[in-house]
Amino acid sequence: AQSVAQPEDQVNVAEGNPLTVKCTYSVSGNPYLFWYVQYPNRGLQFLLKYITGDNLVKGSYGFEAEFNKSQTSFHLKKPSALVSDSALYFCAVPTGANNLFFGTGTRLTVIP
Amino acid sequence: DSGVTQTPKHLITATGQRVTLRCSPRSGDLSVYWYQQSLDQGLQFLIQYYNGEERAKGNILERFSAQQFPDLHSELNLSSLELGDSALYFCASSVDQPGEQFFGPGTRLTVL
Repeated sequence: AQSVAQPEDQVNVAEGNPLTVKCTYSVSGNPYLFWYVQYPNRGLQFLLKYITGDNLVKGSYGFEAEFNKSQTSFHLKKPSALVSDSALYFCAVPTGANNLFFGTGTRLTVIP
Repeated sequence: DSGVTQTPKHLITATGQRVTLRCSPRSGDLSVYWYQQSLDQGLQFLIQYYNGEERAKGNILERFSAQQFPDLHSELNLSSLELGDSALYFCASSVDQPGEQFFGPGTRLTVL
């Protein structure tokens, strides 16, 4: 079965510092991997996806993610964190008929 | 704004009652997905419809049912409500590509 795991419930980072939100995956075949973000009292928003090709994927709001096949990871990164990046981040993988299996989520807090 | 609308925004009801949540997908999207987000269970896929037909089922209770109408809007019916059904219910739509789903703002259900 396709699944993802997010090992950290909470990540704190100072404004201006680089941030990383971790995700590992377990899939059969070539993985499709996604990151979504949920701001307070809002629905989820698509950030970026990996389907095939370049291992560094660029997405919305300056985020990028690095696909690493040997480590089965798909970590979300940003070179310089903003306070407005504080939100709940979900890694996801499609299963079956394209519905999504979400990780447990990582709450990112950027400290001014 | 994702283009997906959900009503109502908030719903407060009592145990044993029945409620209906409504979702209108983005224009042109044939797939509708329902997800439940709760503190203890995280974000879970419930059910998917594609152009009026049920396509996939996830962790949906027998007390819950859904349908998609000819105009592509969808309704999620929750009956014999229990305290544990209190959660955020999200609808998402897509053009049937893996993973790129557009989420509505959610309906917050509180069962007292």
